[in-house]
Amino acid sequence: RKEVEQDPGPFNVPEGATVAFNCTYSNSASQSFFWYRQDCRKEPKLLMSVYSSGNEDGRFTAQLNRASQYISLLIRDSKLSDSATYLCVVWGGGTSYGKLTFGQGTILTVHP
Amino acid sequence: DADVTQTPRNRITKTGKRIMLECSQTKGHDRMYWYRQDPGLGLRLIYYSFDVKDINKGEISDGYSVSRQAQAKFSLSLESAIPNQTALYFCATSDYGKSGGAYNEQFFGPGTRLTVL
Repeated sequence: RKEVEQDPGPFNVPEGATVAFNCTYSNSASQSFFWYRQDCRKEPKLLMSVYSSGNEDGRFTAQLNRASQYISLLIRDSKLSDSATYLCVVWGGGTSYGKLTFGQGTILTVHP
Repeated sequence: DADVTQTPRNRITKTGKRIMLECSQTKGHDRMYWYRQDPGLGLRLIYYSFDVKDINKGEISDGYSVSRQAQAKFSLSLESAIPNQTALYFCATSDYGKSGGAYNEQFFGPGTRLTVL
């Protein structure tokens, strides 16, 4: 089983749609959680951290369920510029201390 | 100027050649990392370094070696390149939450696209 698993998609949605991505992780000692965004052939960049209480940044909402080891990202009112690959990322505890583990990414395409 | 730079940006080489990829950072971070990215596999950690004297293997270190020449420089070497090392390679840095921003956020260089023929 992969340490971090995501639905690779691709997700193809029209502008204005709401889309949700899910992610599960296997290391219960994981301590920090993130969503990164990666544009085609570019480096990943932090989109947002994910907190147990849930957090929102404009059109983006992230949720964490530690009991289920599940992370989600909701994008509302999708824009063309949201087209990218979204990476679920976990900062490890235990034997994975100090390391980020990446999911394989979910591809999103927003069309007019 | 970019905070994390990688050279070269693109490289085509032949099987058996020795290749060095270089990473430099001006962020003043102690921690540096090397990843490779392959389609459908996400980013996988090759080596990481928490400071100049601390170097650790990641999940896919076989066939690679690293050198941390200074706090700001971390090089990745392929001693004898093989075709399945064809990939996009990223260097990243982090400061373990000393500065502002997301705790444990990593900052990535622009990547090196390596092709081994």
